[in-house]
Amino acid sequence: AQSVTQLDSHVSVSEGTPVLLRCNYSSSYSPSLFWYVQHPNKGLQLLLKYTSAATLVKGINGFEAEFKKSETSFHLTKPSAHMSDAAEYFCVVSRIMFSGGYNKLIFGAGTRLAVHP
Amino acid sequence: EAQVTQNPRYLITVTGKKLTVTCSQNMNHEYMSWYRQDPGLGLRQIYYSMNVEVTDKGDVPEGYKVSRKEKRNFPLILESPSPNQTSLYFCASTQPAGGPGNEQFFGPGTRLTVL
Repeated sequence: AQSVTQLDSHVSVSEGTPVLLRCNYSSSYSPSLFWYVQHPNKGLQLLLKYTSAATLVKGINGFEAEFKKSETSFHLTKPSAHMSDAAEYFCVVSRIMFSGGYNKLIFGAGTRLAVHP
Repeated sequence: EAQVTQNPRYLITVTGKKLTVTCSQNMNHEYMSWYRQDPGLGLRQIYYSMNVEVTDKGDVPEGYKVSRKEKRNFPLILESPSPNQTSLYFCASTQPAGGPGNEQFFGPGTRLTVL
């Protein structure tokens, strides 16, 4: 069965410093992995996704994530935080449901990122 | 513009008063689903639909109903809401072709409070 663990519920950084949001996954199959971002009072936006191509995935707004099979990790990073990055971030694993090819998303609990001036 | 819309965005109601949250997508997606978001739990799937008239339970279906009479619409029905259904609800849609890496598109969310 698939599962996702986000290792930090809250992360606080100063503007201009690096961001690291940690995610470990468990999957019986070769997984597809996503990071979604949710800004206050907004819906979810896809940041990036890994689907068994390059292990280093680049997303929007300068974020990237590296798939490490040996560590079952998919950590999200950004070299320099901006105030607008303050949001909640969700690591997600996806698997195909055998009936009809529908891909079910399994969410981590979320990491709230605070960015201080 | 490709989008998923939900209505209402905010709703305060009382225990036992039936309500419906609507969801509509304009991308001709076959698959739609409903999630609830609770602090510390992430998003959990309530129900999903693989096509018109085809629906199935997700991980937390108790207390909810859905219907899929048209491809674009997937309403969530709470026949007798209770306070433990106070939550933030998201509708999502996607296409199955291409495997598990397909992006799901989310609506803006509906914040429901049941008193």
